[in-house]
Amino acid sequence: GAGVSQSPSNKVTEKGKDVELRCDPISGHTALYWYRQSLGQGLEFLIYFQGNSAPDKSGLPSDRFSAERTGGSVSTLTIQRTQQEDSAVYLCASSLVGGWGGEETQYFGPGTRLLVL
Amino acid sequence: AQKITQTQPGMFVQEKEAVTLDCTYDTSDPSYGLFWYKQPSSGEMIFLIYQGSYDQQNATEGRYSLNFQKARKSANLVISASQLGDSAMYFCAMREGRNFGNEKLTFGTGTRLTIIP
Repeated sequence: GAGVSQSPSNKVTEKGKDVELRCDPISGHTALYWYRQSLGQGLEFLIYFQGNSAPDKSGLPSDRFSAERTGGSVSTLTIQRTQQEDSAVYLCASSLVGGWGGEETQYFGPGTRLLVL
Repeated sequence: AQKITQTQPGMFVQEKEAVTLDCTYDTSDPSYGLFWYKQPSSGEMIFLIYQGSYDQQNATEGRYSLNFQKARKSANLVISASQLGDSAMYFCAMREGRNFGNEKLTFGTGTRLTIIP
């Protein structure tokens, strides 16, 4: 079946603009995660969704970052008033809920490369 | 303290040789999962192998095996008969505890593996 998809694959924006990044998880995966990969910080967790709710937003770096998920499927990560330090690759992953063993594996999308000028 | 430590920033290996990528972890939780991901230059994170803390045997997936030494808190990835296509960044990651559905991952800094023809 189809894997995790993300769009756009690349985004260049000007400082101060808002951006929206989209993630479409694997069908049947109810857990969805956003991570950020940057040169200085490595791979870091941003937010987790269980269905449409986000019980763990602990990784969001500031209140300029928000995310939502609708219909238990597609998720959108929004960055308001972008700053140059927001430049990174934003990765989305999905997994089965409550899986044991290897069933809990998170499968990643190709990422969105964001560059803030 | 780092939860996941990968001490080899880069490695060069001759094609067809076996290679071991080191990973040590730090957790006080008895239930955890360890993952290895491959990230080629295209950027996508590709799941390779999983090891659960209660698994009695080392995990194997084709040419990949995980040398799990629980007492030493190490989970080294072994790639047998390396191929040119194995050239990539390799990340070790850990999930701590079981909070069903919220299995966010903590990643190491990665090892860049280059296979030499």
